[in-house]
Amino acid sequence: NAGVTQTPKFRVLKTGQSMTLLCAQDMNHEYMYWYRQDPGMGLRLIHYSVGEGTTAKGEVPDGYNVSRLKKQNFLLGLESAAPSQTSVYFCASSFIQGGSEQFFGPGTRLTVL
Amino acid sequence: GQQVMQIPQYQHVQEGEDFTTYCNSSTTLSNIQWYKQRPGGHPVFLIQLVKSGEVKKQKRLTFQFGEAKKNSSLHITATQTTDVGTYFCAGSLSGSARQLTFGSGTQLTVLP
Repeated sequence: NAGVTQTPKFRVLKTGQSMTLLCAQDMNHEYMYWYRQDPGMGLRLIHYSVGEGTTAKGEVPDGYNVSRLKKQNFLLGLESAAPSQTSVYFCASSFIQGGSEQFFGPGTRLTVL
Repeated sequence: GQQVMQIPQYQHVQEGEDFTTYCNSSTTLSNIQWYKQRPGGHPVFLIQLVKSGEVKKQKRLTFQFGEAKKNSSLHITATQTTDVGTYFCAGSLSGSARQLTFGSGTQLTVLP
């Protein structure tokens, strides 16, 4: 089992460009999450999903959109990237939201110039 | 909104010394989890505490959950260079939408 995978690993964007980050899990988890990690600020929840076809806003959702068309995939979109979105993005999945361990992907390092 | 504060932000210790990181929540938590992130890596789950006053041990690591379920600590005895990394606590509220709120982490450096 690959666990949680993320693509791409690195990306550089110019301000105003768009992109989609892909997260895939092969553990049949219902719950999936997108976090961003900035120095000194820990992990902040962007959006999450409690099942296929559902999404919800987290702590810092502005400027991002998500979709969960298939149970195993969770996509994070940036429609018009801004330098403030320079960060490391982690996807995670779990069986029970907040009640069991979250399995994290390796992360995507995004730089917006 | 829920806040989880974690101190210290950084800690440098000599190999063999003990280390403790503390986590405090502004609200009562349903459970608390601890994660470790090695430099350049991703967070990896260490443990979950659920009961008031719970204490759990993993070899040299001791985890505690406060009686009021608002604070927690992680203590490492006799640190080793393999303990290097950032330790995060993450709390979950009772009820619906039980998202995890992460503390800002404690970055541990172990000097040989």
